[in-house]
Amino acid sequence: DAKTTQPNSMESNEEEPVHLPCNHSTISGTDYIHWYRQLPSQGPEYVIHGLTSNVNNRMASLAIAEDRKSSTLILHRATLRDAAVYYCILRDGNSGNTPLVFGKGTRLSVIA
Amino acid sequence: GAVVSQHPSRVICKSGTSVKIECRSLDFQATTMFWYRQFPKQSLMLMATSNEGSKATYEQGVEKDKFLINHASLTLSTLTVTSAHPEDSSFYICSTSRRLGTDTQYFGPGTRLTVL
Repeated sequence: DAKTTQPNSMESNEEEPVHLPCNHSTISGTDYIHWYRQLPSQGPEYVIHGLTSNVNNRMASLAIAEDRKSSTLILHRATLRDAAVYYCILRDGNSGNTPLVFGKGTRLSVIA
Repeated sequence: GAVVSQHPSRVICKSGTSVKIECRSLDFQATTMFWYRQFPKQSLMLMATSNEGSKATYEQGVEKDKFLINHASLTLSTLTVTSAHPEDSSFYICSTSRRLGTDTQYFGPGTRLTVL
C-alpha cells in the first residue's frame, strides 16, 4: 500500500470544526483513501472512505484534492468523545481481502 | 451493535503459561481474519492472517510456533500465545470484513495481555 503522511498530533477546542490532513503523493489510480480512528483502549473503527469525490457521512466529511495527492478528514463539531488517533490509509481497490496497514496516525486532543 | 467480539478483554498471566484469545465475527461469516498487536504509544502491527480451514500466514518476525492461530469455523479465530513472557505483554486486536476489496474492516475491542 502506498504511504501516507500525517501530523503526529493536533488539538481542537470542543464544538469547533477539525481538519485532519493527510498527504499521499504516491497514490495510484486504484487506491481508495480510508480513515479509521482508535479511541483509547479500543480497537480501531471505520470513519469514512473515498476514491475521487468528496464524501459525507454521519461521522465526518472527506475532502479529496483534485490531484488526489492529499485529503482532509473534517469533523464538523469536535466533542470530547472524538479524542482519538486518526489513521489515513490507502487501500488498493483490487487488493482483495487484504489487511489494513497502519501508520502512526494523528493523535487528536479535544479541549473542553 | 458490535460486529466483532474478543474474549477475554484483559488477561494477566504468569510467565511461561499459555493464553488463548478468541475473536468472533457476530454478523457474518468471515473466511479471513487478521490479528494485530499494539505496544503502548505505538501503532497497530499486523501479526498474521487467519484463513478458515487452512494454515495462517504470518508476518516476518512473528514466530508461528509461539503465536498459534486456529480458524476452525467461519465465525471464530483463536490466537494462543504459548509460553508467554513479559515482552509479549501487548494489546491484541483482530479484524475482518464482509467482502473483498475496499470493504470496511471491522475490529474487535482488543485484548490486553499482561505477562508477569
